[in-house]
Amino acid sequence: QVQLVQSGAEVKRPGASVKVSCKASGYTFSHFGISWVRQVPGQGLERMGWISVYNGNTDYAQKMQGRVTLTTDTSTSTAYMELRSLRSDDTAVYYCVRDVVGAGAAVFDFWGQGTLVTVSS
Amino acid sequence: EVVMTQSPLSLPVTLGQPASISCRSSRSLVHSDTNIYLSWFHQRPGQSPRRLLFRVSRRDSGVPDRFSGSGSGTDFTLHISRVETEDVGTYYCMQGTHWPPTFGQGTKVEIK
Repeated sequence: QVQLVQSGAEVKRPGASVKVSCKASGYTFSHFGISWVRQVPGQGLERMGWISVYNGNTDYAQKMQGRVTLTTDTSTSTAYMELRSLRSDDTAVYYCVRDVVGAGAAVFDFWGQGTLVTVSS
Repeated sequence: EVVMTQSPLSLPVTLGQPASISCRSSRSLVHSDTNIYLSWFHQRPGQSPRRLLFRVSRRDSGVPDRFSGSGSGTDFTLHISRVETEDVGTYYCMQGTHWPPTFGQGTKVEIK
């Protein structure tokens, strides 16, 4: 069965960076992409960006441009999301989601369990 | 970006009664391949979202048949034929037709 297992909760100081991992299993990793979505406590879903596992192409939400980097490691079927220059309003649960591999309609069919990132001084 | 607007934002429901949630897009969701990539997700408190329906009305594996979807163009609806306790939580629509994919604000369903 398809599973996306994310790394554990993080607490960071403002200005620091965080890197969240997402290990995939139950499917051929390179046949899909991975999107990242975040959710501030009590609020809705916000798309951060997407990476094609097949060729490494990325697309970032304009709001996140310059602060977020998405990567994958096909040898371990793991995707990573790094967010830099953290601010208090980055406190949120971060989700990885299985998505389309290339040009095409978004899929979002399987979600990780989420990783809470708390930014606090 | 395509704006997705859900209504209502809060929906008190009675157990065993039907319920519906509306989702409107700012432009037609008909893809160049003629499909409509409109999905519905359910998020229980403290859990990850789970996809219920894709391409307007296709149920994901394990989704009870009391959930159905309808609509075309820019107007879509999620229907629950008889609400059960486990259906509480927040429902989101999402369009995948136009890049980037975008979500509705969410509709919180609670039992009266």
